[in-house]
Amino acid sequence: DVKVTQSSRYLVKRTGEKVFLECVQDMDHENMFWYRQDPGLGLRLIYFSYDVKMKEKGDIPEGYSVSREKKERFSLILESASTNQTSMYLCASSLWAANTGELFFGEGSRLTVL
Amino acid sequence: AQSVTQLDSQVPVFEEAPVELRCNYSSSVSVYLFWYVQYPNQGLQLLLKYLSGSTLVESINGFEAEFNKSQTSFHLRKPSVHISDTAEYFCAVSFYRGGSYIPTFGRGTSLIVHP
Repeated sequence: DVKVTQSSRYLVKRTGEKVFLECVQDMDHENMFWYRQDPGLGLRLIYFSYDVKMKEKGDIPEGYSVSREKKERFSLILESASTNQTSMYLCASSLWAANTGELFFGEGSRLTVL
Repeated sequence: AQSVTQLDSQVPVFEEAPVELRCNYSSSVSVYLFWYVQYPNQGLQLLLKYLSGSTLVESINGFEAEFNKSQTSFHLRKPSVHISDTAEYFCAVSFYRGGSYIPTFGRGTSLIVHP
């Protein structure tokens, strides 16, 4: 069964801490995405990546960075967590060749920043 | 800016009643259209998609959606809902940007099915 796996389902961090959210996919997909999900706002794109070591800003990149050193792994980094970054974070992947935007999602990582 | 609008944030309905979840988008160019479903404490799962061809698409669990190009809409319908359909539903539209189709999501509609 193909999967997108997010390493942590629930995290609690303190303001100012550095936070890493990890995502791994086993489908050999080229494209990977990070979204944040907030009630009433839907999903908003933070960053995406077409290939190893490549990254593109999404609609709300401020306060975040990403790393993609291997094709199957895409990490979201909060350099200095703030309370307004408390949210559900969703990782997704897609096949570049299909190029339709159909996404495969992980289960999500719920981050609380105190 | 390209946008996706789900007009209803919450839709309560009784079991076995019909339901329609509305989705409109802002674009006059070719797009790809999706509905995703999210059950509590889970990620999103693809429910159905329109890529090309017939404008009416169906899912395996009785949902259907119709692509209306002139109305720029992709409404989701089910003739008879079950308790198990209670979930959050997201409409997504892929717009071409930066060399690839990137999906933009609506704000979601919470479908609440009452017994």
